[in-house]
Amino acid sequence: QKEVEQNSGPLSVPEGAIASLNCTYSDRGSQSFFWYRQYSGKSPELIMFIYSNGDKEDGRFTAQLNKASQYVSLLIRDSQPSDSATYLCAVKGSASKIIFGSGTRLSIRP
Amino acid sequence: DGGITQSPKYLFRKEGQNVTLSCEQNLNHDAMYWYRQDPGQGLRLIYYSQIVNDFQKGDIAEGYSVSREKKESFPLTVTSAQKNPTAFYLCASLGTYTEAFFGQGTRLTVV
Repeated sequence: QKEVEQNSGPLSVPEGAIASLNCTYSDRGSQSFFWYRQYSGKSPELIMFIYSNGDKEDGRFTAQLNKASQYVSLLIRDSQPSDSATYLCAVKGSASKIIFGSGTRLSIRP
Repeated sequence: DGGITQSPKYLFRKEGQNVTLSCEQNLNHDAMYWYRQDPGQGLRLIYYSQIVNDFQKGDIAEGYSVSREKKESFPLTVTSAQKNPTAFYLCASLGTYTEAFFGQGTRLTVV
């Protein structure tokens, strides 16, 4: 079992719709959870980070964390073509080790 | 202003040669990380360091070495033992209750 798992996609969503990205992790001691967006050939840029169970909203983005189910998700509302990218889920476990999932490619179709 | 700087942006290595990738941060972060990314893949952890003079192997440490003599610096050496080093290398630093900040990356190619 991989430490952090994501569906590789591609996930295709019409413009203006909600995109839902999911991530599961294996380490129950994980403390912090991050979502990064990466455009081709560029460094990852942070979208959201979340520490506590529940929802955290920032503009069009909502991160959801359920530690009991070891599940974290990212919702993107009113999807725009500029949201087309690879989304990386990252989990900080014990001893500050940060592990990334393999990423989900998101495509927003006009 | 604060940030994390990787150099060089592009690097070419000959067969059997060691090369060192630089990573410097002025964010006063304790933890630093090196990742490797292959085309179409996620980030794989090579090494990480929580404090000065201490570091731990990640999932793919073979063929790589690091040092952490200063809080600001975490250089990565790609040794000749790494048989397939062509990849995009990313350095990151992490503060307490903050996200991991990334440098702009070094693209290493074997020639």
